[in-house]
Amino acid sequence: SYELTQPPSVSVSPGQTATITCSGDALPKKYVFWYQQKSGQTPKLVIYEDNERPSGIPERFSGSKSGTKATLIISGAQVEDEADYYCYSSDSSGNQRVFGGGTKLTV
Amino acid sequence: EVQLVESGGGLVKPGGSLRLSCAASGFSFRDAWMTWVRQAPGKGLEWVGRIRSEADGGATDYAAPVKGRFTISRDDSSNTLYMDMNSLQTEDTAVYYCVLIDCWGQGTLVTVAS
Repeated sequence: SYELTQPPSVSVSPGQTATITCSGDALPKKYVFWYQQKSGQTPKLVIYEDNERPSGIPERFSGSKSGTKATLIISGAQVEDEADYYCYSSDSSGNQRVFGGGTKLTV
Repeated sequence: EVQLVESGGGLVKPGGSLRLSCAASGFSFRDAWMTWVRQAPGKGLEWVGRIRSEADGGATDYAAPVKGRFTISRDDSSNTLYMDMNSLQTEDTAVYYCVLIDCWGQGTLVTVAS
């Protein structure tokens, strides 16, 4: 079955740039979405369609994609950005969706 | 305001069945492709399955672990999404979320235990 691979954890100091990667064979042709899940809360969409930011999401959140790797970038990470982050995409057929294993961001 | 409210979770014995419901409001439900996602205690997010809008054929897709045991359906007249879960196993224990890409319900807990 199709898989998306994320690092288990990323740690940065406040004000630094945090980068979280997501790798998958179908990514060159499929959109990536990124969700933030803070402890005890439901997930929140922070990036859709590779690099689009929903309204209300701070500008420090951005997304990029190159080949089989997508990246969530948090420029000037804040303590309140500490959360689990999940990438989400589909396999090459478009019929199976999948989440990455999640990355715990510590700020 | 978009709202998704799940219900129907609870404690069930292995091999048992449950029906989850998701009441939707604040958007055009009949035009939406709806998804179920689950999260086992202390674990990551897992895509369970989705249903297309009737206008797009209404077909369903399922993750391998639930295919053949779970069935997703919808009632556009009442703006409600359903998921029938049969032959439940302990590994199906999770919070189940109804999802519309940028909106998640609060989830309903399903516990499978003897």
